[in-house]
Amino acid sequence: KNQVEQSPQSLIILEGKNCTLQCNYTVSPFSNLRWYKQDTGRGPVSLTIMTFSENTKSNGRYTATLDADTKQSSLHITASQLSDSASYICVVSDGYGQNFVFGPGTRLSVLP
Amino acid sequence: SAVISQKPSRDICQRGTSLTIQCQVDSQVTMMFWYRQQPGQSLTLIATANQGSEATYESGFVIDKFPISRPNLTFSTLTVSNMSPEDSSIYLCSARQGTSTEAFFGQGTRLTVV
Repeated sequence: KNQVEQSPQSLIILEGKNCTLQCNYTVSPFSNLRWYKQDTGRGPVSLTIMTFSENTKSNGRYTATLDADTKQSSLHITASQLSDSASYICVVSDGYGQNFVFGPGTRLSVLP
Repeated sequence: SAVISQKPSRDICQRGTSLTIQCQVDSQVTMMFWYRQQPGQSLTLIATANQGSEATYESGFVIDKFPISRPNLTFSTLTVSNMSPEDSSIYLCSARQGTSTEAFFGQGTRLTVV
């Protein structure tokens, strides 16, 4: 069964600190992996998309890694800001990228 | 990129009534989807909205309960029919051009059924 798991479920950090969110998946065949940020009351917004051949991709203070062999990904946030408080969702596409399998998300709270 | 406008952004409805949610994309897109997101949960795909033909529903979702229209490449509607409190959720529209391209989401419609 295609599944995406994320850890931790929730995380609280202080402003300025770094953090790393984890994503493990069993989706096969693999097409691509995406990280989304979802602010409360808003729709998800894409942070990164990675294909099988990419193992690192950055978007500002966000850096995603992908290990297709172990089927793991991480999202590293550097120098966190209050506006980083949101849910971060890992999404894996199977086959030809038609189907999205959503992870449950990690709820990040950045405190002053 | 594509900008997706959804309306209404929120509504409170009486049980037994129906609500139609509209999704407008600012450019033509190949694929449009409707998702449900229950409180504290991630997104669940309801259906793929097909232009000019019947939507393709996921397991657990049926056309009588969630009729969908897609008259052209920029617009779609989702109706939540004969609502019950269990339908209280956030409904999200999504669009993308192809299978491996960027997927964009609307801001969601927060539905509360009382």
